[in-house]
Amino acid sequence: RKEVEQDPGPFNVPEGATVAFNCTYSNSASQSFFWYRQDCRKEPKLLMSVYSSGNEDGRFTAQLNRASQYISLLIRDSKLSDSATYLCVVPQLGSGNTGKLIFGQGTTLQVKP
Amino acid sequence: GAVVSQHPSWVICKSGTSVKIECRSLDFQATTMFWYRQFPKQSLMLMATSNEGSKATYEQGVEKDKFLINHASLTLSTLTVTSAHPEDSSFYICSARSQTGAGHQPQHFGDGTRLSIL
Repeated sequence: RKEVEQDPGPFNVPEGATVAFNCTYSNSASQSFFWYRQDCRKEPKLLMSVYSSGNEDGRFTAQLNRASQYISLLIRDSKLSDSATYLCVVPQLGSGNTGKLIFGQGTTLQVKP
Repeated sequence: GAVVSQHPSWVICKSGTSVKIECRSLDFQATTMFWYRQFPKQSLMLMATSNEGSKATYEQGVEKDKFLINHASLTLSTLTVTSAHPEDSSFYICSARSQTGAGHQPQHFGDGTRLSIL
């Protein structure tokens, strides 16, 4: 099982739709999680951090389910500009505070007019 | 918010050339920076961890003599791709986190450098 796993998609949705992505992680001891957004040929940009049960920022909601070991990202009222790849990222646990991140494969979202 | 700057953003050069990429933290000090490589349609792959004032830690399969890393100050790390060949063509991205940031704090990424070797 991969340490961080995402459905690569693509998810094709019409403008205004609500779409949700899931990300599963293998280490039950993980405490923090991040969603990054990456546009084509650009660097990843932090979208949301999740430290407890969830987080909400405008049209974006992230939820954490520790029992099932997954994090979800919900996007409401999709905009054309939401088209991107969404990366689920989990800090690696282990000896010391290495700061290493484990990246999911990314989920591609295409919002159509 | 924290800003990480990477330079150059695009490099095209001949095979055999060495290319240096800079990564700077603009408004915070970073004892640790990370260098990633990303091939088309793939996720980021960590190449090495750059530690200020000490040797970099390389991931398995990454040649340290090929990818030279220098982290001479708390705000600057450099990656030099020595004698680059077409297979080294990729998108190179650095990231950094604040010196005072705990392990669970997010990292901030540089703009990335697109390297094309002819």
